[in-house]
Amino acid sequence: AQTIHQWPVAEIKAVGSPLSLGCTIKGKSSPNLYWYWQATGGTLQQLFYSITVGQVESVVQLNLSASRPKDDQFILSTEKLLLSHSGFYLCAWSLGGQNTLYFGAGTRLSVL
Amino acid sequence: GEQVEQLPSILRVQEGSSASINCSYEDSASNYFPWYKQEPGENPKLIIDIRSNMERKQIQELIVLLDKKAKRFSLHITDTQPGDSAMYFCAASYTGYQNFYFGKGTSLTVIP
Repeated sequence: AQTIHQWPVAEIKAVGSPLSLGCTIKGKSSPNLYWYWQATGGTLQQLFYSITVGQVESVVQLNLSASRPKDDQFILSTEKLLLSHSGFYLCAWSLGGQNTLYFGAGTRLSVL
Repeated sequence: GEQVEQLPSILRVQEGSSASINCSYEDSASNYFPWYKQEPGENPKLIIDIRSNMERKQIQELIVLLDKKAKRFSLHITDTQPGDSAMYFCAASYTGYQNFYFGKGTSLTVIP
């Protein structure tokens, strides 16, 4: 069975500090991978997606970047955090052409 | 990009009654419409979805209706229980496309 693991579970960071969030999916070969952001009480905003290793498309950047260094790994990062980066970051996967989207457990980020 | 409108934003119903959430979309190319349930502090979980080759789909107490001409789809929860209390999100996408557009969510409270 497929599993999706996000790390860390939660982070408290200072404004201006760097950030790296990770996501690993096991049990599926060459999945489509996504990063979503959700403000407290807000909707789900798609940030990035990747359909293959080394290829990432930006939907909404929010001064963040993403990379896919391995088939099963997706990384979200920034060199300088802003207060507005606070929220819930969700990694998700789907199979190409199937559309059905499955979310990881998420990382809760507080920027102070 | 696609715009998905979701109403109502807040819904309170008595236990045992039905709850209905309505969504509309703009892009006639959209052909996949999932619904997610998100409990506080948790990730969104897919509860039911419908593709454009169907007008109605039911899984136990969940019913989804799709009206392609009107570009509307809706979720109906029959015989609601307190465990149905959560945020519900609708979304639209289309096969082969990597963007999912989410509504702003409906906070459902089932009153015992």
